[in-house]
Amino acid sequence: QVQLQESGPGLVKPSQTLSLTCTVSGGSISSGDYYWSWIRQPPGKGLEWIGYIYYSGSTYYNPSLKSRVTISVDTSKNQFSLKLSSVTAADTAVYYCARVVRWQYYFDYWGQGTLVTVSS
Amino acid sequence: SYELTQPLSVSVALGQTARITCGGNNIGSKNVHWYQQKPGQAPVLVIYRDSNRPSGIPERFSGSNSGNTATLTISRAQAGDEADYYCQVWDSSTANVFGTGTKVTVL
Repeated sequence: QVQLQESGPGLVKPSQTLSLTCTVSGGSISSGDYYWSWIRQPPGKGLEWIGYIYYSGSTYYNPSLKSRVTISVDTSKNQFSLKLSSVTAADTAVYYCARVVRWQYYFDYWGQGTLVTVSS
Repeated sequence: SYELTQPLSVSVALGQTARITCGGNNIGSKNVHWYQQKPGQAPVLVIYRDSNRPSGIPERFSGSNSGNTATLTISRAQAGDEADYYCQVWDSSTANVFGTGTKVTVL
């Protein structure tokens, strides 16, 4: 059974960079059958896709966030990471990592999520 | 950009059938996926590629997709089905898109 676990600071100051890591267990991040993705959900609101990465390092980002987002992968640690720069209060959300079935684009496994608050 | 519209809420009597719609331009030409999210929990995939159920999802959950509307149907609704439900598609111009979400209440 694949499991994903997010980790990182729960509080980030405005204008700084949000950094999170997702650790994958029970499966290899180097499997060619999946992408690895970040999704967020502001309190009381809906889901917003941030982007995904393939084990080779290829990325695809939400056009609305593209200028501020970087997703990277570390296959040796079976981890992938998110960096979101120049954050504001609007970036306060629960951040989820998830596995995406390649070419089908559905999210079949999710992490439990981690709340990141942007505040001074 | 591509948009998906869902009703804000749907109510269903215990044991009856709930239908949650997801509207989008020519959505019938796309693969639609559905997620269930209970309070404080991560979303769970309940339907993929319009009408397929992942392992462990009850047969009471079914899906269809045609024209401009996709539908998630919950038969014989149970109290445990109370949750928010989101549709999702991949669009070539917008990439991954989630619907606005529907809160299902079982009366």
